[in-house]
Amino acid sequence: DGGITQSPKYLFRKEGQNVTLSCEQNLNHDAMYWYRQDPGQGLRLIYYSQIVNDFQKGDIAEGYSVSREKKESFPLTVTSAQKNPTAFYLCANSNTEAFFGQGTRLTVV
Amino acid sequence: AQSVTQLDSQVPVFEEAPVELRCNYSSSVSVYLFWYVQYPNQGLQLLLKYLSGSTLVKGINGFEAEFNKSQTSFHLRKPSVHISDTAEYFCAVRAHAGNNRKLIWGLGTSLAVNP
Repeated sequence: DGGITQSPKYLFRKEGQNVTLSCEQNLNHDAMYWYRQDPGQGLRLIYYSQIVNDFQKGDIAEGYSVSREKKESFPLTVTSAQKNPTAFYLCANSNTEAFFGQGTRLTVV
Repeated sequence: AQSVTQLDSQVPVFEEAPVELRCNYSSSVSVYLFWYVQYPNQGLQLLLKYLSGSTLVKGINGFEAEFNKSQTSFHLRKPSVHISDTAEYFCAVRAHAGNNRKLIWGLGTSLAVNP
């Protein structure tokens, strides 16, 4: 049905490895976002981008990196510097309201 | 800057009973208001939104919300809930205009519908 696609849905990595989460959109929206979700903590903003080749840190950017080389794509890299990377990650884009992907559950062992 | 407070972290209710999930916000500028629903291990889905006009907004799945500017509230209601309404519900706001138009989120309300 189009919209915003995250992949993979489940991801396992060993501690100390970087991992990249994919987020692709076909809605032609300028703004894209990455959120982290932990039980009882709602949605916490990691990074956001309002235009190609530009992005800003959110509230919990440490240990994460992003790129925005194309309007359609906003990948998130979870680096080894992230102290507690196991979480549910959500990508979204927005015009007026936000549209979400189905999420990626990352487990680091 | 804006902020959102969802007044109840958990709301248990029996099937076919009415429910209200409360959301208050603060903002120095005009805002748009949203309610989203999240089922386990899924992304968020828009339930309804207030942009302008009538303060009573109807959404999907029989939900509605009323924007009250004087009380800075946007409470979500449903007259008769189903087991399938069990989910996490998030209230959000964003400014109409300006450089900072990020969505600001409440912490969520977990609705548990019991038989």
